[in-house]
Amino acid sequence: DAGVIQSPRHEVTEMGQEVTLRCKPISGHNSLFWYRQTMMRGLELLIYFNNNVPIDDSGMPEDRFSAKMPNASFSTLKIQPSEPRDSAVYFCASIDSLASEAFFGQGTRLTVV
Amino acid sequence: SQQGEEDPQALSIQEGENATMNCSYKTSINNLQWYRQNSGRGLVHLILIRSNEREKHSGRLRVTLDTSKKSSSLLITASRAADTASYFCATDGGSNYKLTFGKGTLLTVNP
Repeated sequence: DAGVIQSPRHEVTEMGQEVTLRCKPISGHNSLFWYRQTMMRGLELLIYFNNNVPIDDSGMPEDRFSAKMPNASFSTLKIQPSEPRDSAVYFCASIDSLASEAFFGQGTRLTVV
Repeated sequence: SQQGEEDPQALSIQEGENATMNCSYKTSINNLQWYRQNSGRGLVHLILIRSNEREKHSGRLRVTLDTSKKSSSLLITASRAADTASYFCATDGGSNYKLTFGKGTLLTVNP
């Protein structure tokens, strides 16, 4: 397996634009996590899914953020409208069962100017 | 807020020395995990210790867990320059399996 695949790797966008980040988890993994990493706040859990169902989205900063998992092999994190403070590295991770190790993608570095 | 908190925030040692990093957490857990992150890369799993375990080894890594103190430590023995990275502990939140991370310890191993 190629591991967790995220796209794009880098995204530069203007304030106010919509941004969509994509993640393909490892095949067979049941849980998927979205994280945001910044120097100031570290690695924050935004939302996680189990069997494609959102379980906890309490980490989503505000209504501008939304995440979907339409099937077991694909998830998106959307920011609309984007703001400069959204600039961060966004990671997706998947787990084959709860209470086991997580596999991370390489991340998407988002810059909002 | 982060579930786990590592200390120290940064650690600088010489090659060959041992490095110890600590993690404290707040709620019950099923397991605690340690991850490593090289600059600009994703996190890589190192080791998992279950709540009913007290110590675990993997190569040059030794992890301890004290559930009564809600703390864990990661020891890297005979460090190498290639061990330079950030190290994070992660907890699963007990019943809800919510995997959350601390802010990490930046380890620098000088050759």
